[in-house]
This record gives sequence, C-alpha cells and structure tokens, in this order.
Amino acid sequence: DGGITQSPKYLFRKEGQNVTLSCEQNLNHDAMYWYRQDPGQGLRLIYYSQIVNDFQKGDIAEGYSVSREKKESFPLTVTSAQKNPTAFYLCASSKGDSYEQYFGPGTRLTVT
Amino acid sequence: GENVEQHPSTLSVQEGDSAVIKCTYSDSASNYFPWYKQELGKRPQLIIDIRSNVGEKKDQRIAVTLNKTAKHFSLHITETQPEDSAVYFCAGYSSASKIIFGSGTRLSIRP
Repeated sequence: DGGITQSPKYLFRKEGQNVTLSCEQNLNHDAMYWYRQDPGQGLRLIYYSQIVNDFQKGDIAEGYSVSREKKESFPLTVTSAQKNPTAFYLCASSKGDSYEQYFGPGTRLTVT
Repeated sequence: GENVEQHPSTLSVQEGDSAVIKCTYSDSASNYFPWYKQELGKRPQLIIDIRSNVGEKKDQRIAVTLNKTAKHFSLHITETQPEDSAVYFCAGYSSASKIIFGSGTRLSIRP
C-alpha cells in the first residue's frame, strides 16, 4: 500500500474556513488526481494533473483549488465556496492517463 | 456529459456461486476500462482492466468482457469467496472525457 500518502486521515473544520489536504507520492508518476467519494456514489473527479505546473478541472471543481509545483505533491484546497464539503477525499497517481491508478488512504473531512 | 452507468447497486450471492456486474458507457472514444475493488475502510485497488482492442481478459477467478458495439463491459467473478465482499467500481477512460467511474456495486457473499 505504500507509495502514495494522504494526511491527515481525519480533518474537522468550521464552516467558512479554507482547508488544505495533502497528497504525496514517491512512485515517480506523472499524473495525479483528486476524487470525492460520497455514500452510495462513485468516485467523482475534482482535479487532475498530467504534469508538473499543469492541471485541469474535473467534473466537480467548483469550490476547490489545487497546485502542482512538484512532481511528488498535489495538494487540494477546499475553499469556503464549496457548498457541501463534508466528504471522503481520495488522491491517486498513475504513470499516465490510461493506466492503473494507485490510491492514497483518503482523508475524511467534516465541516460543521 | 459523458457517463458510466453501473448495475446492480447491490448484489448478494451464495458463496461458491458467480457474480456479474455490468457497466455501460456513453463516450464511444473510450479505450480503457479498469475495475477497482474497495474493501470496507480501505482504498480502491485495481483488480483487472481491459483495453478496447481486446474482447475478454481473465485473471484466475476474475474476468472482464467488453462489447464495443453495444458500449458495455462486465465483470465476472466465479467461485465467490467471503473475501470477495466489497464495493466494486467500473470506469471508462477516453482522452476527451478522461476517467469516469460508475457509482459502484456492493457485493455481499452469503456463507
């Protein structure tokens, strides 16, 4: 299971605060992804990055922001503009778009 | 927009029987179809994948079939065991729509 890590495992924030979720990989993968997982739903793509200093919006990017300054790191910021931020967030990496994705252990964010 | 539909949402089978999960996709340019298994409290992990130039792929008790004309693909698990209990996700990838996941199937194996 090693190779891609997320921290923290659980995160609690007050409404109106921005929060940043960490994702780090040592697999030398070019592509990295952020997903949101809600009960009874699949994995919905928030943002993805195919190369350093470049990223694209996924299906549900509103209220989120990312950066990709290093190949190993792809942090996700959940902003106060995200209307329903409480969810389980999964980060993944792959050597390319149409290849196996390796998932991190996830961060469960609760906003009250 | 493009989507991937997955059925059924829940499936219960007797241990030793077979389980089949079906997915349909809308983007005809999709060319890569992975299946992920997520056990309770754990991260999703790839169990099998298939590319559009292949109609079927097998790995021990697991097989995936792809019908490009009908735009659907299926996961087949034979001789099911208790450790097969999990949520299974299909996905379709195209260069235009990127990767889209199905909504998941919760598979339960009855002893």
